[in-house]
Amino acid sequence: QSVLTQPPSASGTPGQRVTISCSGSSSNIGRKTVNWYQQVSGTAPKLLIYSNNQRPSGVPDRFSGAKSGTSASLAISGLQSEDEADYYCAAWDDSLKGSVFGTGTKVTVL
Amino acid sequence: EVQLVESGGGLVQPGGSLRLSCAASGFTVSSNYMNWVRQAPGKGLEWVSVLYSGGSTSYADSVKGRFTISRDNSKNTLYLQMNSLRAEDTAVYYCARDEPGGNSDAFDIWGQGTMVTVSS
Repeated sequence: QSVLTQPPSASGTPGQRVTISCSGSSSNIGRKTVNWYQQVSGTAPKLLIYSNNQRPSGVPDRFSGAKSGTSASLAISGLQSEDEADYYCAAWDDSLKGSVFGTGTKVTVL
Repeated sequence: EVQLVESGGGLVQPGGSLRLSCAASGFTVSSNYMNWVRQAPGKGLEWVSVLYSGGSTSYADSVKGRFTISRDNSKNTLYLQMNSLRAEDTAVYYCARDEPGGNSDAFDIWGQGTMVTVSS
């Protein structure tokens, strides 16, 4: 049902850099900005990145976002144990006339 | 403090109805784009509906014709009326605010969620 595709899992050791991809199409990522959410188990999602690469106040600069064409990516540098969570990309879809989320990526800190 | 608090979830039989509420504090619901997002048990996030500040609405195809989003300005509260409920509507339902002032369609404020279970 998800329109945006992400890898199901990613992992790294503390201090490493982890990158998560998000693949969409011309009706969503191709023409709209991408947002990223972090969801720690049992809690509500939290906005992590908006407008492709902007961090809300309070989000560490270890988190960064990028977009190119119909794909986007989220990078976590200097991975920490508290980064263990599910991560979702999202964008508006002009064809569906609604927001669409990615399939989600579970990040594990080894 | 800016926050959203959902209520109204519960157990309902297939074909039944339920109305969810989302009370806002620290900002005005009617001045913002407001959304409902749901998450089935063990699954990912699914956008459900948006109510624009001007009053227009949009729905996911999966709920179109069955769900209605609305607001009560006097109570600063967002609602989701859910009719003809199906087992596949079972999920935690979150209300979320669009980040104001931009075109990002980012949801910057989320409620804690309310669980809806559709089962006989």
